[in-house]
Amino acid sequence: QKEVEQDPGPLSVPEGAIVSLNCTYSNSAFQYFMWYRQYSRKGPELLMYTYSSGNKEDGRFTAQVDKSSKYISLFIRDSQPSDSATYLCAKPPTGANNLFFGTGTRLTVIP
Amino acid sequence: DTAVSQTPKYLVTQMGNDKSIKCEQNLGHDTMYWYKQDSKKFLKIMFSYNNKELIINETVPNRFSPKSPDKAHLNLHINSLELGDSAVYFCASSPTGGGRYEQYFGPGTRLTVT
Repeated sequence: QKEVEQDPGPLSVPEGAIVSLNCTYSNSAFQYFMWYRQYSRKGPELLMYTYSSGNKEDGRFTAQVDKSSKYISLFIRDSQPSDSATYLCAKPPTGANNLFFGTGTRLTVIP
Repeated sequence: DTAVSQTPKYLVTQMGNDKSIKCEQNLGHDTMYWYKQDSKKFLKIMFSYNNKELIINETVPNRFSPKSPDKAHLNLHINSLELGDSAVYFCASSPTGGGRYEQYFGPGTRLTVT
């Protein structure tokens, strides 16, 4: 079983919509999660990280962790065409310094 | 101003050749990585170095050899290139300790082997 699994999409939404991106994880021993955004032909860019249950907000972005169901989510409010990108969830394995990435969800926000 | 930089950005070469990709970070991080992103956009760790020492070496052909001359640089040398090596290679760095695991990525090197 993969460390993190992510619905690859693609996902298309109209401008202004609320977007929900989701991942599940298998290893509960180490609770630290990250969301990256990757524009076409660019490197992944760290959006948010969280290591606790509940919500963490940063502007229009909210990261949510549900430890009971091993579910992590990223919500984007008032989505903009500039949000069109691939979003990747990531998690380090226990104590190690590398990251396991989900397969990424490609999002398109239509003006 | 660039945090993690890589050169070259594009690399087109023929099978059997040897090539190198260079990476530099000015974030003061102790740990650096090489990732490979395949055509399906899946990112997979290849190597990790901490303070010039190899700490992670995933199942990668030994044609790939990383070298870290100092903790700000991590280069990737690839011998006898094969068609299947075509991918985007990303360098990344991260701070060590302090309970932080986030990584910062370079812009990538798009390698095409013909």
